[in-house]
Amino acid sequence: DAGVIQSPRHEVTEMGQEVTLRCKPISGHNSLFWYRQTMMRGLELLIYFNNNVPIDDSGMPEDRFSAKMPNASFSTLKIQPSEPRDSAVYFCASMVAGGTYEQYFGPGTRLTVT
Amino acid sequence: DQQVKQNSPSLSVQEGRISILNCDYTNSMFDYFLWYKKYPAEGPTFLISISSIKDKNEDGRFTVFLNKSAKHLSLHIVPSQPGDSAVYFCAASAVHYKLSFGAGTTVTVRA
Repeated sequence: DAGVIQSPRHEVTEMGQEVTLRCKPISGHNSLFWYRQTMMRGLELLIYFNNNVPIDDSGMPEDRFSAKMPNASFSTLKIQPSEPRDSAVYFCASMVAGGTYEQYFGPGTRLTVT
Repeated sequence: DQQVKQNSPSLSVQEGRISILNCDYTNSMFDYFLWYKKYPAEGPTFLISISSIKDKNEDGRFTVFLNKSAKHLSLHIVPSQPGDSAVYFCAASAVHYKLSFGAGTTVTVRA
């Protein structure tokens, strides 16, 4: 069974450019999460989708960040324009809502903005 | 505001001995607790969890203890193996989807 799939695994871009991170959740999971991990702030939740609908986006840092989930098997996190302080590892996770609280994480995308 | 704290950034233990990882929390509304393990260049993987109605949960070599009055939980790994060398994150939830993570403890198992 495939786990959560994220692409790209690494992204290096220049300040001001648009960055799009992609995620395919585990089949059958109806909840999807985007997290960001930095040395300063650790692992923090950016946004949570349930049945493709954004439920909680209170962790999205600012308007430069946006996330979409057009269907149950695909989500994107977009940063436009990107800034050096956005450099981090971005994880996507999925789970079955209403079950246990266990979230399954993808391998992450390491983003470097120069 | 760090609601989940792992005060030991690192732990070194000899192979075969017990590893004890600690985690403290401040939010009394947390009712579910999880431990995740993370290898370099990989995402965190779920290890073990415990509901607030229990004080102990065991799964093979891994046991989690919960002390609600002290707002403290711990993870015991017995016996420790080289493959256990990783970063361990404690997480807690008050709302079923929202996990608050600790900063992590890096465990090194020495041969």
